[in-house]
Amino acid sequence: GENVEQHPSTLSVQEGDSAVIKCTYSDSASNYFPWYKQELGKRPQLIIDIRSNVGEKKDQRIAVTLNKTAKHFSLHITETQPEDSAVYFCAASINDYKLSFGAGTTVTVRA
Amino acid sequence: NAGVMQNPRHLVRRRGQEARLRCSPMKGHSHVYWYRQLPEEGLKFMVYLQKENIIDESGMPKERFSAEFPKEGPSILRIQQVVRGDSAAYFCASSPGPWEQYFGPGTRLTVT
Repeated sequence: GENVEQHPSTLSVQEGDSAVIKCTYSDSASNYFPWYKQELGKRPQLIIDIRSNVGEKKDQRIAVTLNKTAKHFSLHITETQPEDSAVYFCAASINDYKLSFGAGTTVTVRA
Repeated sequence: NAGVMQNPRHLVRRRGQEARLRCSPMKGHSHVYWYRQLPEEGLKFMVYLQKENIIDESGMPKERFSAEFPKEGPSILRIQQVVRGDSAAYFCASSPGPWEQYFGPGTRLTVT
């Protein structure tokens, strides 16, 4: 099955700086890559996603890039704010529905 | 439009009892997914259902676990004869079709 690896496991950044989280996937047939944000004790929230026919997607301070050849994708958060502190999960899907998740990155934004 | 609803939010069961977890998808969503999350880990796919059909249950343990999504009412994840290793957060997600999945608040199951 699909295997998704996510790095780093923890990330501490100064408020206003950028944060970058990277994921790699194993199955070249994967075609959908969402990112979720989960605050402590809360539900995972879909923040951005990208499909395999697109190399980059941006939504305000959040952007995702996809390199199909290298089988990796990244989440970029610019101008980080304290409310960006959370656990972020990447995921990949080869069949439109079965998401394989990374282990998560705990992001802490220091004021 | 209310989000995905799950209940109960917390469930305590003794070893050997049954646990029933309920999930009501978002209005207009006919696809339901169940995931399990162990502490400090990512979510693991368990099962994908559409109304009255199990589409993919490849992530479900072969024994004690079952899921359904009846024509009327919520989706149910049922765990029989619970063991301590079943303690986890169980999340349900729904979608109107393929791609975007929206998650519920989860049910935290504790087996004592």
